[in-house]
Amino acid sequence: KNEVEQSPQNLTAQEGEFITINCSYSVGISALHWLQQHPGGGIVSLFMLSSGKKKHGRLIATINIQEKHSSLHITASHPRDSAVYICAVRNSGGSNYKLTFGKGTLLTVNP
Amino acid sequence: EAQVTQNPRYLITVTGKKLTVTCSQNMNHEYMSWYRQDPGLGLRQIYYSMNVEVTDKGDVPEGYKVSRKEKRNFPLILESPSPNQTSLYFCASSLSAGNGYTFGSGTRLTVV
Repeated sequence: KNEVEQSPQNLTAQEGEFITINCSYSVGISALHWLQQHPGGGIVSLFMLSSGKKKHGRLIATINIQEKHSSLHITASHPRDSAVYICAVRNSGGSNYKLTFGKGTLLTVNP
Repeated sequence: EAQVTQNPRYLITVTGKKLTVTCSQNMNHEYMSWYRQDPGLGLRQIYYSMNVEVTDKGDVPEGYKVSRKEKRNFPLILESPSPNQTSLYFCASSLSAGNGYTFGSGTRLTVV
């Protein structure tokens, strides 16, 4: 079983819809990252969370440490939001400088 | 402009021919790391460095070497590349392990 699980694997939405991508992890963590990767493109760091909630523009990330779960929400989705969204956790035990990644969620937003 | 620069962007090489992928950052970041990305497996960490002369293995270090002689540079060395090292490689840096990351544009390596 992977330490970091994302759902769904693929998501298709219509422009303007509210999007939720989920990330569950099985280890103790010191931080969780949400990353964005456009097709053929590089990786951009969206959020780093250790508790609570963060907001940047139309993107909102939340984390529940007790439930070992994080969500990434996109409000008023737009075709330019189409990308792979990746969750990554930094372990709290042992070597806490390693990142473990989920396999990503491919989001397609149609006009 | 603050950035992480990887070179080359694309590389096709033959089995056994030593190669180096360079990574340089201009943000005075202490933490640097290398990842590979493969279909169905996602991103996996190869090596990381907490600071100059301090490096450690990630989840898939076999077949790779790194060095951190200067703060800004963190090259990835494949002494004897094999076809199973065909992958998309990313370098990243961070002010410290507890901060957000800046990623390079990636290097697509094909070993034939």
